[in-house]
Amino acid sequence: EAGVTQFPSHSVIEKGQTVTLRCDPISGHDNLYWYRRVMGKEIKFLLHFVKESKQDESGMPNNRFLAERTGGTYSTLKVQPAELEDSGVYFCASSRQGHLLEKLFFGSGTQLSVL
Amino acid sequence: AQSVTQPDIHITVSEGASLELRCNYSYGATPYLFWYVQSPGQGLQLLLKYFSGDTLVQGIKGFEAEFKRSQSSFNLRKPSVHWSDAAEYFCAVGPTGGGNKLTFGTGTQLKVEL
Repeated sequence: EAGVTQFPSHSVIEKGQTVTLRCDPISGHDNLYWYRRVMGKEIKFLLHFVKESKQDESGMPNNRFLAERTGGTYSTLKVQPAELEDSGVYFCASSRQGHLLEKLFFGSGTQLSVL
Repeated sequence: AQSVTQPDIHITVSEGASLELRCNYSYGATPYLFWYVQSPGQGLQLLLKYFSGDTLVQGIKGFEAEFKRSQSSFNLRKPSVHWSDAAEYFCAVGPTGGGNKLTFGTGTQLKVEL
């Protein structure tokens, strides 16, 4: 079974530019999550999709971040315009059901550097 | 609000030595507890989890962790470390009331000396 796929693996952009990160969850997983790790800090929850609906977006930092999951398959996370403090590793995870008893599968992350 | 503290940012051990990574949490009740590992270029992989029952849980790759309610701790242990265990380790907690939103610690980077 293919795992959670994220791309690009690395992205270097200048402040003010736009970047779009993509996540392909494991097939059949209705639940998709975005997390972020700013350098040296903890991994923080951003949001949770159930199929194409946003179940919980309490962790989204501000309105420069836009997450979508059209059709309930892959998801994108757009940052527009990017700021220096957006640098970090963005992780995507998926699970079949939305409960902690269900195993969460993580992708290898996108390293975003905003210069 | 729940929180997780991993007091050791870096730990270096010799191959074959025992390992203990510390994790303390703050939560209103007994949370669900997890340990994840991230090897270079890989995603986070679940090592083990505690939901209820036996407070000593066994995980993959020879790891175990013990939940101690009185100390609000969930320390990860391995009796004999292998060079391939070099990675970053994250402790996490999750709410028992439902949902799949994890709160992670800042991670502990493990270096293994040959």
